[in-house]
Amino acid sequence: DIVMTQTPLSSPVTLGQPASISCRSSQSLVHSNGNTYLSWLHQRPGQPPRLLISKVFNRFSGVPDRFSGSGAGTDFTLKISGVEAEDVGIYYCMQTTQFPYTFGGGTKVEIK
Amino acid sequence: EVQLVESGGGLVQPGGSLRLSCIASGFDFTNSWMNWVRQAPGKGLQWVANIKPDGSEIKFVDSVKGRFTVSKDNAGNSLHLQMNSLRAEDTAVYYCGRGLSGYNTVDIWGQGAMVTVSS
Repeated sequence: DIVMTQTPLSSPVTLGQPASISCRSSQSLVHSNGNTYLSWLHQRPGQPPRLLISKVFNRFSGVPDRFSGSGAGTDFTLKISGVEAEDVGIYYCMQTTQFPYTFGGGTKVEIK
Repeated sequence: EVQLVESGGGLVQPGGSLRLSCIASGFDFTNSWMNWVRQAPGKGLQWVANIKPDGSEIKFVDSVKGRFTVSKDNAGNSLHLQMNSLRAEDTAVYYCGRGLSGYNTVDIWGQGAMVTVSS
């Protein structure tokens, strides 16, 4: 199975300041079709996850442009250009290149 | 409105069975891949199963193989997760989620159904 490792576990951020989350996979996420199936999701307490980004950098419909994804191969990053109060919660990376699909352990973003 | 609504959760004894349902609306369910993902209390997300649009192929995480089955009723816009031989470690909120074609991700999530396995 592909192991997804996220850092940091927790990220206290001042409102308006940037935040960055790293996700590393135990093997390349490049599919045989050439696509890289790495997604980012956001979950607020008591809520289901919400898709933010798919295929490394494609923002899902309605996701603010302060969220951006980058990376390739085994190393990926989610950046929030200026954290807003509604951005608190846990962020997960997820790989869907290979079964079983696997998630990172999550990064908690909170306001300082 | 695009929506997924799970039902069927509850308390069950170890070794027991439970069937979750997920009703879809607002999108082309017939041609959609579907997933089940679970989250144990206070823990992260774990993918459980994936089913092709026509139900011809199903994938499971190893820990549920042989115990869980998935079925897709395209006429009724519903997805089902049959869980047998339940264990304490199956205790979780179970989410159904739509697979986004072309992006191979889960874009629409239900609110979840809580399953508690305990004596």
